[in-house]
Amino acid sequence: DQQVKQNSPSLSVQEGRISILNCDYTNSMFDYFLWYKKYPAEGPTFLISISSIKDKNEDGRFTVFLNKSAKHLSLHIVPSQPGDSAVYFCAAGSNSGGSNYKLTFGKGTLLTVNP
Amino acid sequence: KAGVTQTPRYLIKTRGQQVTLSCSPISGHRSVSWYQQTPGQGLQFLFEYFSETQRNKGNFPGRFSGRQFSNSRSEMNVSTLELGDSALYLCASSPNVAGVSLEQYFGPGTRLTVT
Repeated sequence: DQQVKQNSPSLSVQEGRISILNCDYTNSMFDYFLWYKKYPAEGPTFLISISSIKDKNEDGRFTVFLNKSAKHLSLHIVPSQPGDSAVYFCAAGSNSGGSNYKLTFGKGTLLTVNP
Repeated sequence: KAGVTQTPRYLIKTRGQQVTLSCSPISGHRSVSWYQQTPGQGLQFLFEYFSETQRNKGNFPGRFSGRQFSNSRSEMNVSTLELGDSALYLCASSPNVAGVSLEQYFGPGTRLTVT
């Protein structure tokens, strides 16, 4: 059972436009969400996170939106740059302590930003 | 601060052999997690260690094991290798204290090829 889903394997956008990457989750226990970017032959790099007590978090060109009722989050990149071309992973976890110290990842979305 | 380091970066083994991978976390990080990444499967959680104790384990067979040392360095071992174990193995460290953010910081990974 895939608890974190990224339904778009790939996305292509023009430089300067907005990139929107989507992620859905099924586990109601998740209360912390993260986005990672991964280049080939490198480990994932943490981008931005959001706690379930918020519905938006912004960091420069990156904004993450969380819709708890729909169990959906999205990452907006504005404006998109060619260097943003990478695989983006959505991840979710529980910040409530106990034994759930793990992140569950989606399968990733390959973003290509065309010059 | 130095990032997460993993050794070796590349490894070729034969089916039936065993392998040990090493991870040194970011200084001060006491939590180390291991993930397996295969094409189309995203990152699959293997296990997480904190203060030399395994706190959480993913759905992998017992051939996959790990440990953490008093200096927070971690190793994972795979015995009786199978062709399907060919993957990128990623280690991530985190300060990961209950009630604090869950960001994990990844190393570059070890690319294991089983022939």
